[in-house]
Formats: sequence, structure tokens, C-alpha cells
Amino acid sequence: QKEVEQDPGPLSVPEGAIVSLNCTYSNSAFQYFMWYRQYSRKGPELLMYTYSSGNKEDGRFTAQVDKSSKYISLFIRDSQPSDSATYLCASSKGNNNDMRFGAGTRLTVKP
Amino acid sequence: KAGVTQTPRYLIKTRGQQVTLSCSPISGHRSVSWYQQTPGQGLQFLFEYFSETQRNKGNFPGRFSGRQFSNSRSEMNVSTLELGDSALYLCASNREGLSNEQFFGPGTRLTVL
Repeated sequence: QKEVEQDPGPLSVPEGAIVSLNCTYSNSAFQYFMWYRQYSRKGPELLMYTYSSGNKEDGRFTAQVDKSSKYISLFIRDSQPSDSATYLCASSKGNNNDMRFGAGTRLTVKP
Repeated sequence: KAGVTQTPRYLIKTRGQQVTLSCSPISGHRSVSWYQQTPGQGLQFLFEYFSETQRNKGNFPGRFSGRQFSNSRSEMNVSTLELGDSALYLCASNREGLSNEQFFGPGTRLTVL
């Protein structure tokens, strides 16, 4: 079993929809939680970064971490065709920079 | 501020050969991590270097090695290439401190024939 589990999708939504992306993790030592966006043939781009539990909002993006249930979420409001990409969740224990990634969810936002 | 650069962007090798990939982190970042990305296994951690020392290592065979120079640039080497080594190799530049954020380069796509 992988330390971070993520449904690979694919997920297809109409433009303007609210998108919910989720991951679960198994290692209680994880303290840092990240969401990356990866376009085809590009490297992952850091979207959201959260330390420990709680919510973090940045524009149309909201990241949530619930350490009690080991659940990580990313919400995208008013989704746009330009949001079409693969979204990767990642977790790490600390400053060892050894991140564990989910499989990535492929999202398509249709105009 | 310039981002993370990786060279070369594309590489084709044959089985048994060896390859060296290069990564230049963001100016001021002293830590570099390497990852392998394949469709089947996703993103997997290879190793991390900080101030020219390997600080952490993933579960890859000894054919995969790396090093870091005094200017924080890093190289990774894969010897005796196998078909299964075909992948996108990503380098991440790490901002140390409370935020612990990693910034990825565009990757080197290695094809082993």
C-alpha cells in the first residue's frame, strides 16, 4: 500500500463547476501537505502548501487537511479550462524533503 | 528570480549505457531533491542533497547515484541502463526553513532503447 493514495480519475467537469480532489495518507508522521499541478510535458508546479491540520485559501483554490482522518482535499471554485491538468497531492514528515506523492488525478474542465 | 533548470531536456540511450543529468536550483537554495516519474509508479523520491552531502535516499538500486557541487548544482547518474529506467527525471529545488517548499524543474525525459 502506498503511503499516499489518490484516485487517478480521470475527472471531467463543465466550466464554472466546483472541483473536489482528495487524497488519504497512512503515515501519522506526515506534517507537510502539498498540492501540485502538472501540465502535460512539464514539471509539477506548487499550488498549495499546508503545515499540519487546517484550511488554506488562495484565490479560487482551497486546501484542507484533516490529520485525525488522514484526509487531504483541494477545492477549485469557478473552474476554468486552463485548470485542466494532473493534480498531485504530496506529504512529507519534515525537513528531509522526502515527499511522498499520490498517483495524481487527471482533471479536464470543458468549456 | 530564475527557476530550476535541467539539462538535457530529452535523452535517448541504449541498454547498458550510463547517463548523467544536471540540475541547477533556484539561486540561494541549498537543497536539491531528485524524483523519477513513470506512468506506472508515479513520482518516486530518489535522493536529496544539501550542502554537497546526501541527506536522504529513496529505495532505488545503487545504479542511481548523485552528487552536489559547492554552487548547489547537482547531477544524477544512472549506470548500466535498463529499459525500465525510461522515465521523466525531475529535480526539485528546496527552500529550507519553516515553509519547506519544493519547486520543480521541467524534467529530463530519458528513453532507454
